[in-house]
Amino acid sequence: GAVVSQHPSWVICKSGTSVKIECRSLDFQATTMFWYRQFPKQSLMLMATSNEGSKATYEQGVEKDKFLINHASLTLSTLTVTSAHPEDSSFYICSARNPKREFEQYFGPGTRLTVT
Amino acid sequence: GQNIDQPTEMTATEGAIVQINCTYQTSGFNGLFWYQQHAGEAPTFLSYNVLDGLEEKGRFSSFLSRSKGYSYLLLKELQMKDSASYLCAAMDSNYQLIWGAGTKLIIKP
Repeated sequence: GAVVSQHPSWVICKSGTSVKIECRSLDFQATTMFWYRQFPKQSLMLMATSNEGSKATYEQGVEKDKFLINHASLTLSTLTVTSAHPEDSSFYICSARNPKREFEQYFGPGTRLTVT
Repeated sequence: GQNIDQPTEMTATEGAIVQINCTYQTSGFNGLFWYQQHAGEAPTFLSYNVLDGLEEKGRFSSFLSRSKGYSYLLLKELQMKDSASYLCAAMDSNYQLIWGAGTKLIIKP
């Protein structure tokens, strides 16, 4: 079946530094990828929709200058958390939409970010 | 506005049956999804309904009523490993998933 990978699976960084998270679709070319954030005991919160070759669409309240998204190829989208703060500590999950079947969306395993 | 409602938490006994309800309001509708999420892990796909009726897949079944904006996930022969959060999500006219807050299911022996 379709597989989406994320790297790294967990990362610890110091406050003020930047962290890049990669999301790859391994079995299909994903023109659209999604980035979610999930705080403990809460549901998924869509941060942005990443479209290959164009600027990402950010959800209301998500700072685009802080959460940089790049979708440079059909199999790779990256999320960079810039100048990270402890409140950015969360579980970040990406998903990729199968362009041949709009209804299919596959999740990556997630990245646990801890900012100290 | 768009909204998904599902219970916050449910408790059931191993071997029993549990039904998790979900009601939705979306701008357009392209189907209803159920995902399972174990603590610390990403969601995994369970089911997709776009037509009214019941879809059965092993121990799990999902039901949809479009006219009522209602779905449920039915879990039979509960096992301890079924303890997880179950997320209901409706896909709107732009193919965006609108997520519920999730139902934490606790299975007791």
